[in-house]
Amino acid sequence: KAGVTQTPRYLIKTRGQQVTLSCSPISGHRSVSWYQQTPGQGLQFLFEYFSETQRNKGNFPGRFSGRQFSNSRSEMNVSTLELGDSALYLCASRPVLGDAGELFFGEGSRLTVL
Amino acid sequence: SQQGEEDPQALSIQEGENATMNCSYKTSINNLQWYRQNSGRGLVHLILIRSNEREKHSGRLRVTLDTSKKSSSLLITASRAADTASYFCATDILGGSEKLVFGKGTKLTVNP
Repeated sequence: KAGVTQTPRYLIKTRGQQVTLSCSPISGHRSVSWYQQTPGQGLQFLFEYFSETQRNKGNFPGRFSGRQFSNSRSEMNVSTLELGDSALYLCASRPVLGDAGELFFGEGSRLTVL
Repeated sequence: SQQGEEDPQALSIQEGENATMNCSYKTSINNLQWYRQNSGRGLVHLILIRSNEREKHSGRLRVTLDTSKKSSSLLITASRAADTASYFCATDILGGSEKLVFGKGTKLTVNP
């Protein structure tokens, strides 16, 4: 069974631009979560989607948004990029909501904002 | 804010030694999980321990949970150079929103 796939793996943007990151969960997994990882703040929860609905949201500004499609694939978008948005963005999937069991992570998308 | 805090932040040992990492958390939990991350890669799940369990083993890993002290420890026995990675604890907060909250991790270096 294929793992969680994130694209692109690396990207460089400049301040003010926007970026869209994509995540394909493990087949059969309906929940997708996004995390931002930086050296200073560690792993910060962005949001979680289940059945195309946002179920949980972290403490990030409205510039960070996401969505989930009917095939459970998810995208996140960051608009008006700032230098501080440089980070590794990790997507994780799990079969269902409910008991928060194991998360399956992708390899991440490393965003550099210049 | 972080729910879990790992201690120490960094740990350097020789191959064959045991490595112990600790995690403290603030609020009651449903379960606690440990993950491993090789440099710049995704996280890999190691073990999950539920709030009604005190100890769990998986291969060379041993996890303990003390809910009265709100703490957990991860022991890696007979460490190998390949164990070099960052280790994170993650908590599922009781009555919370089912999201996992991660600590900042312990960076383990195992020297050959």
